[in-house]
Amino acid sequence: QKEVEQDPGPLSVPEGAIVSLNCTYSNSAFQYFMWYRQYSRKGPELLMYTYSSGNKEDGRFTAQVDKSSKYISLFIRDSQPSDSATYLCAMSTSNFGNEKLTFGTGTRLTIIP
Amino acid sequence: DVKVTQSSRYLVKRTGEKVFLECVQDMDHENMFWYRQDPGLGLRLIYFSYDVKMKEKGDIPEGYSVSREKKERFSLILESASTNQTSMYLCASSIAGETQYFGPGTRLLVL
Repeated sequence: QKEVEQDPGPLSVPEGAIVSLNCTYSNSAFQYFMWYRQYSRKGPELLMYTYSSGNKEDGRFTAQVDKSSKYISLFIRDSQPSDSATYLCAMSTSNFGNEKLTFGTGTRLTIIP
Repeated sequence: DVKVTQSSRYLVKRTGEKVFLECVQDMDHENMFWYRQDPGLGLRLIYFSYDVKMKEKGDIPEGYSVSREKKERFSLILESASTNQTSMYLCASSIAGETQYFGPGTRLLVL
């Protein structure tokens, strides 16, 4: 079993819909949680960075962490065609800077105009 | 903004060639990382460095080496390229208290 599980999709939704992307994990020591967006043939771009349980909002994006269920989510409101990308979740046990990140395999999202 | 650059976007090499991939960051980050990304396997850590001349093996170091002679520069070396090293190579950097920022990636094709 992988430490981090992420549905690979693909996921297609109409423009303006609310998108929900999810990851589950098995290591209860994970404390820091990230979402990266990766456009085709580009490097991952950090979208959201959260610590422990709770919600964090940034514009149309909301990251949610439920440590009791070992489940994290990224919600995209009012989705736009420019949101079409692969979304990677990642997590770590610390934020000293030299720690290993454990990634999900990514969910490919397409927003249909 | 953090800027991580990689020397090449696309590379085509022959089996057995020595390949150098270079990464430069401009934010004075102590930590730098090399990953490879393959469909269905996600990102896998090859090597990382937490200081000049320091290096640590990641999950898949076999067939690779690294060099960090200056703080801003981290090089990945494929000593003798093989076809199973065809992949997307991603460099990242970080500092304490923050997470990793990635470069644009190098797509390497080994023929």
